Amino acid sequence: DAGVIQSPRHEVTEMGQEVTLRCKPISGHDYLFWYRQTMMRGLELLIYFNNNVPIDDSGMPEDRFSAKMPNASFSTLKIQPSEPRDSAVYFCASSFSGGRGGYTFGSGTRLTVV
Amino acid sequence: QQQVKQSPQSLIVQKGGISIINCAYENTAFDYFPWYQQFPGKGPALLIAIRPDVSEKKEGRFTISFNKSAKQFSLHIMDSQPGDSATYFCAASKGSNYQLIWGAGTKLIIKP
Repeated sequence: DAGVIQSPRHEVTEMGQEVTLRCKPISGHDYLFWYRQTMMRGLELLIYFNNNVPIDDSGMPEDRFSAKMPNASFSTLKIQPSEPRDSAVYFCASSFSGGRGGYTFGSGTRLTVV
Repeated sequence: QQQVKQSPQSLIVQKGGISIINCAYENTAFDYFPWYQQFPGKGPALLIAIRPDVSEKKEGRFTISFNKSAKQFSLHIMDSQPGDSATYFCAASKGSNYQLIWGAGTKLIIKP
C-alpha cells in the first residue's frame, strides 16, 4: 500500500480564495482524521470520520472550514474564504479500529495564505 | 482532565546517551498510550505503544515505561543516535473512542 496520500504538498493562495485539500486513506481503514499543525498550537484535531460519517467536528475552527468523505477512499477539507491565520500544515491520517495499530499519517499539505 | 502533559519541550543529548521524555495524564479511563516520531516535512509515525496492564514495553532501543498509579509514562531511547533527532509526541486514548489526545511534543536533538 502507498500509505495515506495527500495533495497538494504545498499550496500558496491569496486571502479570500477557496482552498481544497485532498486525502486518500489506506484501503481498509475505517477511521479518517484531519489535523492541523502549527508551532504555536501543536497538533489540533479538526474533524474525524468513521465509515465515511463525520463523528466529531468540534475542532473545526469556524464555518469557513468544511470536510467531506463521499466514499471510503477519498476525503476533502475545504477552507472558504481562506485567511492568513489558516496558514499551517494540514495532515490527514487513517486507522483501522479492529487492530489498534495506531494512525498512519500522510505527508501533509503546507498551506500558506498571503 | 482530557490533557496529556509532555516534558521537556526540547532536549539535547550526546550521541550514545539516553534520551528520556515524560508524559502525564489525568483521565484514568485512558487505556492506550502511543508514542509518535515526526521528522521535518513528514507526518508523525507510530513508534511504540503500551497498554496499562504492563509496566514496560521495549522495541529495540526504544522503551516505554508506564506508572499507572502515578498516571505517568515515559519514552527512553537508549544509545541515542543522530538519526533519532526528531520531534516526539506522546498521546492517549480511551476505550473504543479512537480519538487521540496529544502531548505538545518534544524536539530531540542528538549531538554527534
